[in-house]
Amino acid sequence: SQQGEEDPQALSIQEGENATMNCSYKTSINNLQWYRQNSGRGLVHLILIRSNEREKHSGRLRVTLDTSKKSSSLLITASRAADTASYFCATGETSGSRLTFGEGTQLTVNP
Amino acid sequence: GAGVSQSPRYKVAKRGQDVALRCDPISGHVSLFWYQQALGQGPEFLTYFQNEAQLDKSGLPSDRFFAERPEGSVSTLKIQRTQQEDSAVYLCASSTRGGSWTGRYEQYFGPGTRLTVT
Repeated sequence: SQQGEEDPQALSIQEGENATMNCSYKTSINNLQWYRQNSGRGLVHLILIRSNEREKHSGRLRVTLDTSKKSSSLLITASRAADTASYFCATGETSGSRLTFGEGTQLTVNP
Repeated sequence: GAGVSQSPRYKVAKRGQDVALRCDPISGHVSLFWYQQALGQGPEFLTYFQNEAQLDKSGLPSDRFFAERPEGSVSTLKIQRTQQEDSAVYLCASSTRGGSWTGRYEQYFGPGTRLTVT
């Protein structure tokens, strides 16, 4: 079963705008990860934030984590048409092997 | 270096047929995972190997699903007597880390095998 929910389910913006996606989860976690999936492709790891971190940056990506609210957000700044993809959050358990994914946000960046 | 590869990329099976899906992980990666992704959904965990040992198979939906990794590298996911509800993309991922804390690290995904059962 899915760990949590992502919203919005779909997001359409213009090139140059910022895109924000949110993820909520249910259980205690060791970390939260964001992945991107282009149509018909596998998932590509974007960024990992640990449960003792509140914010992390990587290039145009900014991730926040609020463990008290069991939520995370992914911000993509200055979006490009090439950012068009599905974005998934995934939680890593405090012990154990699996990642548990959300249902994803479909981002469309219009040129 | 080479990433995770999967074959075939597409498979069409008639209901009741057996299928075998192959995964070649990144060389040297200890951990290997299989996920099932239904259309419009996020991946769902099926099973996990550390080297050749299958440490977690709690996500396999039925006893028709079987996975192996006999030499600790290549893995095969086998589905017997396929049903229409088995239609999905099957993703393989690998990770450098092993042990009880594998969920603490990023995973590297292959392109997936799209299985259609008619």
